Amino acid sequence: KNQVEQSPQSLIILEGKNCTLQCNYTVSPFSNLRWYKQDTGRGPVSLTIMTFSENTKSNGRYTATLDADTKQSSLHITASQLSDSASYICVVSASGGYNKLIFGAGTRLAVHP
Amino acid sequence: NAGVTQTPKFRVLKTGQSMTLLCAQDMNHEYMYWYRQDPGMGLRLIHYSVGEGTTAKGEVPDGYNVSRLKKQNFLLGLESAAPSQTSVYFCASSYVGGRDTQYFGPGTRLTVL
Repeated sequence: KNQVEQSPQSLIILEGKNCTLQCNYTVSPFSNLRWYKQDTGRGPVSLTIMTFSENTKSNGRYTATLDADTKQSSLHITASQLSDSASYICVVSASGGYNKLIFGAGTRLAVHP
Repeated sequence: NAGVTQTPKFRVLKTGQSMTLLCAQDMNHEYMYWYRQDPGMGLRLIHYSVGEGTTAKGEVPDGYNVSRLKKQNFLLGLESAAPSQTSVYFCASSYVGGRDTQYFGPGTRLTVL
């Protein structure tokens, strides 16, 4: 069964600190992996998209890594800001068809001053 | 550009009532999607459309119907609402499938009593 699991479920860090969120997946055939940020009460917004051949991609203070062999990805946030408080969702796309996406349940990050 | 918009933002229904959620996008995207998001779970695809006049079932289509009469609009209907359909509904669109980014609307919070 295609699944995407994220850890931790929730995380609290102090402003200015770094953090890393984890994503493990069992999706086949694999097409690409995405990280989305979802602010409370809003829709998800894309941060990064990585294909099988890409093992790292950055978007400002966000850096995503992908290990297609172990089927793991991480999202590293550098020098966190209060505005980083949100849910971060790992999404894996399976090949074929209409762009079938399998969503993780998300990691809820709270950045405290 | 407004991007993806959804109406209404909130709605409360009684069991058995019907309603239609409207999604509109101004990005000339071919693909449109309806998802539901429940606590502790990843987003799940209800129905999708790969172009004007087309619709297809997603992962959880039972109890919902959709129509795509115009390219920019995607309607989600509940003919006889049930408490199990209490959820937050998100519409998304993308230019094509595959690796293309999906852009999400702000969501509709539906409560069925």
